[in-house]
Amino acid sequence: AQSVTQPDIHITVSEGASLELRCNYSYGATPYLFWYVQSPGQGLQLLLKYFSGDTLVQGIKGFEAEFKRSQSSFNLRKPSVHWSDAAEYFCAVGDPNNAGNMLTFGGGTRLMVKP
Amino acid sequence: DAGITQSPRHKVTETGTPVTLRCHQTENHRYMYWYRQDPGHGLRLIHYSYGVKDTDKGEVSDGYSVSRSKTEDFLLTLESATSSQTSVYFCAVADRQSGANVLTFGAGSRLTVL
Repeated sequence: AQSVTQPDIHITVSEGASLELRCNYSYGATPYLFWYVQSPGQGLQLLLKYFSGDTLVQGIKGFEAEFKRSQSSFNLRKPSVHWSDAAEYFCAVGDPNNAGNMLTFGGGTRLMVKP
Repeated sequence: DAGITQSPRHKVTETGTPVTLRCHQTENHRYMYWYRQDPGHGLRLIHYSYGVKDTDKGEVSDGYSVSRSKTEDFLLTLESATSSQTSVYFCAVADRQSGANVLTFGAGSRLTVL
């Protein structure tokens, strides 16, 4: 069964600083990979996704993520964080061979932004 | 938001009472899901549906049942609620994007079991 680890439960960065959120997965082949963001009291919004092809994917709100097969990682990055980026971020994996399309989520990383 | 409506959005109930959460979608998606969200656990799949009257269990299905009598509605029932089922419940649908299915989530239903 696939699994996802987000090693950092909380991260605090200063506004304007760069950001990297880590995501490691366990899966036998190349999975589908996703990052979602959840603002307080809200549902989950898709930031970006990777299915195949170019390993660097661009998402909304200036985020990008890089798939590294050798490290089983899909880290999320942003060059300059804004106060509005404060939220919880979830990495998720999907099995391309599973018609059910369900996702397995990591435990989440809560991002705080200092002024 | 793929036309997903969850109801109720907030509910407080007592241990041992039955509870039903409803997920309604307006875009004829075939696949629907119920997840629960708990601190430190992210989201965990409870049940999912791949068509009318077609459902299957997820990772944390004990104590929950589901029904899908029509395409647009997916119901999650707690037959006898327990305090461990206090959680935020999210419904999702699978939306076809770029040749694969992407999950889109509803706004969530917060359930407190006293």
